[in-house]
Amino acid sequence: GQQVMQIPQYQHVQEGEDFTTYCNSSTTLSNIQWYKQRPGGHPVFLIQLVKSGEVKKQKRLTFQFGEAKKNSSLHITATQTTDVGTYFCAGDFGNEKLTFGTGTRLTIIP
Amino acid sequence: EAGVTQSPTHLIKTRGQQATLRCSPISGHTSVYWYQQALGLGLQFLLWYDEGEERNRGNFPPRFSGRQFPNYSSELNVNALELEDSALYLCASSLLGAKNIQYFGAGTRLSVL
Repeated sequence: GQQVMQIPQYQHVQEGEDFTTYCNSSTTLSNIQWYKQRPGGHPVFLIQLVKSGEVKKQKRLTFQFGEAKKNSSLHITATQTTDVGTYFCAGDFGNEKLTFGTGTRLTIIP
Repeated sequence: EAGVTQSPTHLIKTRGQQATLRCSPISGHTSVYWYQQALGLGLQFLLWYDEGEERNRGNFPPRFSGRQFPNYSSELNVNALELEDSALYLCASSLLGAKNIQYFGAGTRLSVL
């Protein structure tokens, strides 16, 4: 079936360290989206990547879409306590529904 | 502009009962999606409605059903509740189809005792 695998499941980092989460699909994606869910909150859209090899930046966050459109990554530089939460990727296989990854829960050690 | 609203916030039921969860999408959005998020886990796709029709369904038993009304609001019904149905149920809306960004509501926390 169409699945999106996301690693790692958990990541604990010291404040100021970098953080990266990865998503992989067995088949080509039409596009991929990233969402953030704060503890006790609901997922909030961060970004959508559509083109092969696309790189987008939002302040300290860098999003990449692989050349084959099967993988993606989210990198946060110099983490802050406000970055705490679970980051989900969501793949669109072109079948008109999003398939969410399992998420990476980020905790920050002050 | 109001976001996606869901009611109730919390719902407590006993095994075997039925639960009805409600969702109002962002004004102008025609698509509504339902997800189940068990504690500490990811989002499992339940149902997608657009223009009053069920467009896609996730891998859930038939006792999970729903509908979308002419004003694009939606209901999720869960019959014959089981303990493992306890979860956060999230509703999201978008303009058209899954290629568009999904905006989530705060969810309904369903507890089955």
